[in-house]
Amino acid sequence: NAGVTQTPKFQVLKTGQSMTLQCAQDMNHNSMYWYRQDPGMGLRLIYYSASEGTTDKGEVPNGYNVSRLNKREFSLRLESAAPSQTSVYFCASSPPGTATQSGANVLTFGAGSRLTVL
Amino acid sequence: SQQGEEDPQALSIQEGENATMNCSYKTSINNLQWYRQNSGRGLVHLILIRSNEREKHSGRLRVTLDTSKKSSSLLITASRAADTASYFCATDLGTYKYIFGTGTRLKVLA
Repeated sequence: NAGVTQTPKFQVLKTGQSMTLQCAQDMNHNSMYWYRQDPGMGLRLIYYSASEGTTDKGEVPNGYNVSRLNKREFSLRLESAAPSQTSVYFCASSPPGTATQSGANVLTFGAGSRLTVL
Repeated sequence: SQQGEEDPQALSIQEGENATMNCSYKTSINNLQWYRQNSGRGLVHLILIRSNEREKHSGRLRVTLDTSKKSSSLLITASRAADTASYFCATDLGTYKYIFGTGTRLKVLA
């Protein structure tokens, strides 16, 4: 059981280049998330998808787009990378269920993707 | 600004001592969770406390929640070197949005 898998693990881009970070989960979770982590800033939510077919902006969506390809996969795209997007990106997923059900609302994270934009 | 702010930013203690870290948040929540992150790794869920709960225990972890003060604390008792990590609180705003705080870096000295 792989959990949440992110690719690539490392990527170096030049300013203006585009790339897509891939995320897949095999836990039949409904909701998926993209966060970025910068030193001293904790994790900031970029976009999330409450369920297949829906996506919504988080705290810092500018410069990013997302696609919820199917229930398993949620990709993050940088159309024109900027040095300010140098960060570690984490994908996460959470299961369906109400707030009172055990395990509901708990996030499972991938190992992260370290992106450097020169 | 971020929803959650942890305090202190960094904490260094001796093995066997207790570690306490605090989280303050700004808006109403459904629940509050604590996560641990070992260096260079993804986050791992530790414990969840719902908005109608005041205290919860899990092994050496004790979490409290004061919704009137919009704050939570995480206590790790009898710390071990393996507890060295960063700890984050995350607030569930009830709209599938989970907002994380800035984290506390805990170092447990053997």
